[in-house]
Amino acid sequence: AQSVAQPEDQVNVAEGNPLTVKCTYSVSGNPYLFWYVQYPNRGLQFLLKYITGDNLVKGSYGFEAEFNKSQTSFHLKKPSALVSDSALYFCAVRDQDTGRRALTFGSGTRLQVQP
Amino acid sequence: EPEVTQTPSHQVTQMGQEVILRCVPISNHLYFYWYRQILGQKVEFLVSFYNNEISEKSEIFDDQFSVERPDGSNFTLKIRSTKLEDSAMYFCASSHRTGSDTQYFGPGTRLTVL
Repeated sequence: AQSVAQPEDQVNVAEGNPLTVKCTYSVSGNPYLFWYVQYPNRGLQFLLKYITGDNLVKGSYGFEAEFNKSQTSFHLKKPSALVSDSALYFCAVRDQDTGRRALTFGSGTRLQVQP
Repeated sequence: EPEVTQTPSHQVTQMGQEVILRCVPISNHLYFYWYRQILGQKVEFLVSFYNNEISEKSEIFDDQFSVERPDGSNFTLKIRSTKLEDSAMYFCASSHRTGSDTQYFGPGTRLTVL
């Protein structure tokens, strides 16, 4: 079975400071990993994904994430937070090796960026 | 930029009634999905659809649920006899055929069962 843990319900950061939103995963094979963001009354917007290769993945709006196989983590980062980054962030995983396409999501982390 | 669209944005129904939620996936995508998010809970996979048939479904997707691609553009989720516990946000998504392809999500339909 595959699973995702987002250990923080909420992350607070001041505008201009770096931010990290944590994600750890569990799959039996090799993972595809995704980050999505949800703004109020909007759907899930794709930010970035890890498939294979370079462990540092760059995505939309200046976000990046680092894949760490030994720690089974895929933390989302941004060097300088904006107030407009305030939203709900979801990490998701699927197993490359099973052929299944269902994404398993974490419970979400609410990012609050204070001006 | 192409987007997945969903209608209606909000559906209110009485328990026991049938509802149909509609989605228009991105036009050159071949895989289609439904997920749901009960208020305050995780986003959960329901079903995936490829080549006019269900390719994968979860335990949630029981006989009360069905999916259909009635024409070349729409993808629907039908709940035959709604229950209170079906109240949730339902998200449609679509992706290309290759395994690593990103699933792009629509804005969701909020279903309220009274």
